[in-house]
Amino acid sequence: GAVVSQHPSWVICKSGTSVKIECRSLDFQATTMFWYRQFPKQSLMLMATSNEGSKATYEQGVEKDKFLINHASLTLSTLTVTSAHPEDSSFYICSAKTLGQDLSPLHFGNGTRLTVT
Amino acid sequence: GQNIDQPTEMTATEGAIVQINCTYQTSGFNGLFWYQQHAGEAPTFLSYNVLDGLEEKGRFSSFLSRSKGYSYLLLKELQMKDSASYLCAVMDSNYQLIWGAGTKLIIKP
Repeated sequence: GAVVSQHPSWVICKSGTSVKIECRSLDFQATTMFWYRQFPKQSLMLMATSNEGSKATYEQGVEKDKFLINHASLTLSTLTVTSAHPEDSSFYICSAKTLGQDLSPLHFGNGTRLTVT
Repeated sequence: GQNIDQPTEMTATEGAIVQINCTYQTSGFNGLFWYQQHAGEAPTFLSYNVLDGLEEKGRFSSFLSRSKGYSYLLLKELQMKDSASYLCAVMDSNYQLIWGAGTKLIIKP
């Protein structure tokens, strides 16, 4: 089945530094990728939707200059958390789907646990 | 606005049956998904309903009533490994997924 690989699984960084998270579709072309954030005991919160080759669409309240998303190829999207602060500590999860599969379930990466000290 | 409601937490006994309810109000409807999420892990897909009725998949079944804006996930013969959060998500008319807050299911021996 469709596999989405997310890296790293966990990362600890110092406040003020930037962190890049990669999301790869291993056996299908991910025309659309979604980036979610999940705080403890809360549900998934969609941060942004990115379509290959175009700019990401950010949800209301998500700072596009802080959370840089790049979806330059059909198999790779990256999320860069710039100038990270402790309040950015969260579980970040990517998901992907391919063109024409609007009704299919999302394929999720395994998530990245970010801790900012 | 769009809204998905499900209980915050439920407790059940190993070997028993539990039903997790989900009610929704969304802009359009293109199907309802149930996902299982173990602590610290990403969600995994369980079921998809777009027509009214019951979909059975092994120990798990999912039911949908579009007229009532209601679904439930039924778990039979509960096992300790079923302890997880169960997320209800509805795909709206724009094919966007609207997520519920999840139901934490605790299984006791």
